[in-house]
Amino acid sequence: DAKTTQPPSMDCAEGRAANLPCNHSTISGNEYVYWYRQIHSQGPQYIIHGLKNNETNEMASLIITEDRKSSTLILPHATLRDTAVYYCIVRSFSGNTGKLIFGQGTTLQVKP
Amino acid sequence: DTGVSQDPRHKITKRGQNVTFRCDPISEHNRLYWYRQTLGQGPEFLTYFQNEAQLEKSRLLSDRFSAERPKGSFSTLEIQRTEQGDSAMYLCASSLQQGSYEQYFGPGTRLTVT
Repeated sequence: DAKTTQPPSMDCAEGRAANLPCNHSTISGNEYVYWYRQIHSQGPQYIIHGLKNNETNEMASLIITEDRKSSTLILPHATLRDTAVYYCIVRSFSGNTGKLIFGQGTTLQVKP
Repeated sequence: DTGVSQDPRHKITKRGQNVTFRCDPISEHNRLYWYRQTLGQGPEFLTYFQNEAQLEKSRLLSDRFSAERPKGSFSTLEIQRTEQGDSAMYLCASSLQQGSYEQYFGPGTRLTVT
């Protein structure tokens, strides 16, 4: 599975959009981009995933560049409860266990 | 609550003792994963079950660690002769075999070895 690079930390004002970048320049054609987050002292929580099209759900939007070498997770109206560590993970569906390989993620601090 | 549950939530033990943790996955999920997370790091994969079969083990899983999933339902993770380096959060996750394989995590068991 491809390696990802994320900034270690980011701040965002409450009510504003939080844009979390992720580089995955070695991603291969059958690998998806997944985002999870981990609020302090809880297990990770699935947010969203995508292959090459932009995706949106009730939690966030995922924008993947045309060359698929990077992506951005967008939380449209960040709240204090969105303060967490956000992990960007790339993995394929086929022929593997589905295990997740976490990096160190981005610590997002939402400030009032 | 139909999410993944883990028991106990916290465990303090003395070095050299054995400990066992339990994970109850979401009922229709046939894949089950164990991860370990130390302070300031992302979770690290330990082992994976599909139904009752343990199909992959990480090199992190030394011979002091053993995991089971009898009947493909709940799973247990046992650590024998605990060491201080085993202090960590132990996370369990489950997923369906088909589809996009989102993993749903439990709250974790925090182990402290004194």
